[in-house]
Amino acid sequence: GAGVSQSPSNKVTEKGKDVELRCDPISGHTALYWYRQSLGQGLEFLIYFQGNSAPDKSGLPSDRFSAERTGGSVSTLTIQRTQQEDSAVYLCASSLSGAANTGELFFGEGSRLTVL
Amino acid sequence: DQQVKQNSPSLSVQEGRISILNCDYTNSMFDYFLWYKKYPAEGPTFLISISSIKDKNEDGRFTVFLNKSAKHLSLHIVPSQPGDSAVYFCAASGVPGTYKYIFGTGTRLKVLA
Repeated sequence: GAGVSQSPSNKVTEKGKDVELRCDPISGHTALYWYRQSLGQGLEFLIYFQGNSAPDKSGLPSDRFSAERTGGSVSTLTIQRTQQEDSAVYLCASSLSGAANTGELFFGEGSRLTVL
Repeated sequence: DQQVKQNSPSLSVQEGRISILNCDYTNSMFDYFLWYKKYPAEGPTFLISISSIKDKNEDGRFTVFLNKSAKHLSLHIVPSQPGDSAVYFCAASGVPGTYKYIFGTGTRLKVLA
């Protein structure tokens, strides 16, 4: 596709359930990021993938969060045993290169997660 | 610890006037800065960037100024238009060994017709 595609766009789940959020980056982009935006907050970095290198997981808030990127393309963010504080918009972004000073990130429209 | 700060959560400006959005950062290792614009229910979109080797970058109605000694950058929009109403995020990157973009908390700009 032309842009970063995320699914589902909206997800309502019960506390304690697991959820999976999917991101399809722009074709050819080697770097992929997950961010989240909680209500009234800025964009919080979660995880970064660059090519075949080990991901930078330093932003994941707890071990209930994990992400993988298969074949260097599609990524899945998994949240296990969801809690109400996990409610947020989860944004995926991709870029041509992982170098931090060579260009902007292209964001998807986000997946809004609501944990009841 | 918030490394990138946008201290004004909101700003209202009359159409045709200048909008000035401010951003402060604490990490002197940052060397690349970006501004993003976000409409409701959409992902952020890139607006303009500046490298630390410059102190100004201009693109149409948008100009970003960087003051490295003060660790401060600002986005100027002249003239402001109602379609500019959105949330604006500044972001910083460039710390060696990491590729994170650190975002501020955003400023909601409302341009009044």
